[in-house]
Amino acid sequence: KQEVTQIPAALSVPEGENLVLNCSFTDSAIYNLQWFRQDPGKGLTSLLLIQSSQREQTSGRLNASLDKSSGRSTLYIAASQPGDSATYLCAADMDSNYQLIWGAGTKLIIKP
Amino acid sequence: GAGVSQTPSNKVTEKGKYVELRCDPISGHTALYWYRQSLGQGPEFLIYFQGTGAADDSGLPNDRFFAVRPEGSVSTLKIQRTERGDSAVYLCASSLNGREGQFFGPGTRLTVL
Repeated sequence: KQEVTQIPAALSVPEGENLVLNCSFTDSAIYNLQWFRQDPGKGLTSLLLIQSSQREQTSGRLNASLDKSSGRSTLYIAASQPGDSATYLCAADMDSNYQLIWGAGTKLIIKP
Repeated sequence: GAGVSQTPSNKVTEKGKYVELRCDPISGHTALYWYRQSLGQGPEFLIYFQGTGAADDSGLPNDRFFAVRPEGSVSTLKIQRTERGDSAVYLCASSLNGREGQFFGPGTRLTVL
């Protein structure tokens, strides 16, 4: 059974720092992996989607990497801003079905 | 519409009542998903539609939960005899064909008193 883990559960850093959020999964038979952002009381905003054949995807200050063999994905945020404060979730789309298997998220706080 | 919409945004009901939650997916998206999310946790899969049919309903917790998508667009999640443990945010997502990333609506917060 696929399990997705995100460490740390919470992270607080000063504005301007570069940071990395981690996502690990136990079953490497994934179709793709998606990173989302969730603001308090809001829905989920898709940030980046990495297909299983890809190693990384970039969007602005965000860069996501995928290493299927080690069961890991990272989300790199450059030059963090207070507006980046939110919960970040990763989700694995499995080869065998169309369900997303979710991590519990990392709550990020960027201090001005 | 531009994105996935869900109505109502909030629903408060009493234990034992019946509720319906609605989802309007992005136009042209054939795949539609329902999830529910409890505080501090990631979403939990409930059901996946491809077109009008439920391709995977393995996440529905019991037979009190049912979902339909009669015309392959709007979907309704129906919960009978609600229980306090059903309280959660119910999220809907749509995808172009099921494998091109999922796009989420704002959710419906269900509170069962």
